This record gives sequence, structure tokens and C-alpha cells, in this order.
Amino acid sequence: GIQVEQSPPDLILQEGANSTLRCNFSDSVNNLQWFHQNPWGQLINLFYIPSGTKQNGRLSATTVATERYSLLYISSSQTTDSGVYFCAVEPRSGGGADGLTFGKGTHLIIQP
Amino acid sequence: DVKVTQSSRYLVKRTGEKVFLECVQDMDHENMFWYRQDPGLGLRLIYFSYDVKMKEKGDIPEGYSVSREKKERFSLILESASTNQTSMYLCASSFGRELTEAFFGQGTRLTVV
Repeated sequence: GIQVEQSPPDLILQEGANSTLRCNFSDSVNNLQWFHQNPWGQLINLFYIPSGTKQNGRLSATTVATERYSLLYISSSQTTDSGVYFCAVEPRSGGGADGLTFGKGTHLIIQP
Repeated sequence: DVKVTQSSRYLVKRTGEKVFLECVQDMDHENMFWYRQDPGLGLRLIYFSYDVKMKEKGDIPEGYSVSREKKERFSLILESASTNQTSMYLCASSFGRELTEAFFGQGTRLTVV
């Protein structure tokens, strides 16, 4: 099956810093999403981005489908940005709606 | 906003019990999914359904079954709960076979003792 690798696995930053999280995937995808898992375990949708660039406030994401990677940018980090960020993909070969394959996540800690 | 609701946030069951985890979505989504999340193993797909009364096995279906009698509701069933099924269970739904952005419920933390 498709492989999803996220880097770095852990990241500790000071408040106000910028960060870049990377997601590499091993095959063509129909769907790529970025999630933030809150302290209670719920996955919060950040971006649905199988290709291109999107921005939402301090967060933005870029997916280069031809090179099989996606980047999540967080600018001017706040302590509330702390948590685990997941990249998840649905392979194109699956024909759609066959479920997401998740990376292992990046654990981000923002220190005041 | 899409709302996916799981029936319980926390659940404690005894070994051997039959356990039902319920998930309801309010956006008329065709597809529904059950995942489990474990430390070091990440999120893994258990079962999914792309229509009423349809079901497909995911990566780790052993020990589980599912039921989808109505479009908005997808149930995960542990026929005889075991301690290795202690986990966080997450339900998700998505619209169709083209636009497949998935939305997740709040999760159910199940402990089997």
C-alpha cells in the first residue's frame, strides 16, 4: 500500500517562530489532508489539498503532486498550535473513497 | 458545518462483552469509516462503507464487524471485547467518490478490562 512519511517527528519551538512540516507519499493521490489533533483526541481539518496551495490565516499548505510531497507552514506560532499534526492521503489507484492512510504525525510543542 | 458525532467519549467494558460504538453524521455523506489509533502505530482503518448495507474491510478488520442500516449511522461492533482492543476509536465520513474530504468525530476512548 501507499507509504506516508512525515518529518520531523518532533519539533520544539518558541512562541512567534515559523515552522515547516513535510509529508512525503509514495504514490499518486486523490486526496491529501492535513489535520491537527487536539488534546482531547479529535482530528481538526486544516486543509484538503491534493494539489496546489491554500492559506488559512497563519497556516498555509502546498502540495506538489508530481513530486509526491506536501508542506504545512505555520507562521508566528502560538502555544495553542501545540499538538500532533497528521498528513493523510487516499491513493489514486484506490478509485476514491477507500479510506485515508495516515503518516505517523509531527508532534509540535510551542513554548511561551 | 459537517458534524460527525460518536455516542461516547469514554467507555469501559469487560473482556468478553459485546460492544457497540455508534457514529452519526448529519451531512448526507455516502462514505463512512472507522479507524483506531494506538501509540506508535498511528491511525489504522478498520472498516468502511460507501453505501447503506455495504461494507468493506480495511487494514485491521479482525475482531470487528460493522452495520450500516441507515445512511447517517455507522456502527462498529466488537463481538467479544478483548484487552488488545483497548484503543482510541475514530469515526469519519466523506461525501462521494470524487470529493473525498473526510471529517472526523470526537473519538471514543475504549478501555477493555
